Amino acid sequence: GAVVSQHPSWVICKSGTSVKIECRSLDFQATTMFWYRQFPKQSLMLMATSNEGSKATYEQGVEKDKFLINHASLTLSTLTVTSAHPEDSSFYICSATARGPKTNYGYTFGSGTRLTVV
Amino acid sequence: DAKTTQPPSMDCAEGRAANLPCNHSTISGNEYVYWYRQIHSQGPQYIIHGLKNNETNEMASLIITEDRKSSTLILPHATLRDTAVYYCIVSPLSGTYKYIFGTGTRLKVLA
Repeated sequence: GAVVSQHPSWVICKSGTSVKIECRSLDFQATTMFWYRQFPKQSLMLMATSNEGSKATYEQGVEKDKFLINHASLTLSTLTVTSAHPEDSSFYICSATARGPKTNYGYTFGSGTRLTVV
Repeated sequence: DAKTTQPPSMDCAEGRAANLPCNHSTISGNEYVYWYRQIHSQGPQYIIHGLKNNETNEMASLIITEDRKSSTLILPHATLRDTAVYYCIVSPLSGTYKYIFGTGTRLKVLA
C-alpha cells in the first residue's frame, strides 16, 4: 500500500514553454503533498507544500508564479513549471503521507520526473 | 536547515554489515527518526523509523542511543543493490510535517 505515482518520468521541453508534472496517491487520500527539486549530486530541496483545496505554501526563494501547484483533489497534485529555462532543468520529486494503522507512517515518494529544458 | 548530520560517504564490502551513523542532537521529544535511501535517479525509499527503542524489519535495524541524540542504521549483509544515498530525517509522527533532507551518506558497496 501507500503508492505515489509521478508522471511523466522524464520530459524534454523547449525554453519558454510550460511543463506539467502530476503526482497521484494511488491507494490512499493525501490532503498534503510535498514537492522537491534535486540537482545532480545534491540533496532534495523542499520547494512547496501542496494542500488540497487551498493555496500551496512555498519555501523561501521559490517563485510561486513560476512553479504553479494545484491540489484539486485528495489524490492528485500537479506542479507546472511555467516559461521553463535551462536552469530549471532538474529532478522533481513529490511525496505524500498515508498515515494509518496499515502504513509505515512515513512519507511515500514518487519516482521523480527528470526535466530537461533545451 | 536540516536537523541531522551524516558522513558524506562510506564504503562497505559486499556481505558485510554496513553501519551508517546519524547525529540528531537537537531532536525533540515528539520526533521520530526516519531513514530513507535513494538509488540513482529514483525517489527516496522508506527503510525504517523509530522513536527510542531499537527497531528491526526485513530491510535493516535501527539503533537509537538512550539520549536519542544519534542513531545508526545497520544493513546486516550489504549487497551491491544497497549502493545508494541514505538519508536520516527527524519528524513528528502525526500531522503533516515537512521533511527537511540533509546531505545524506553515499554508501558504496564493493564487490
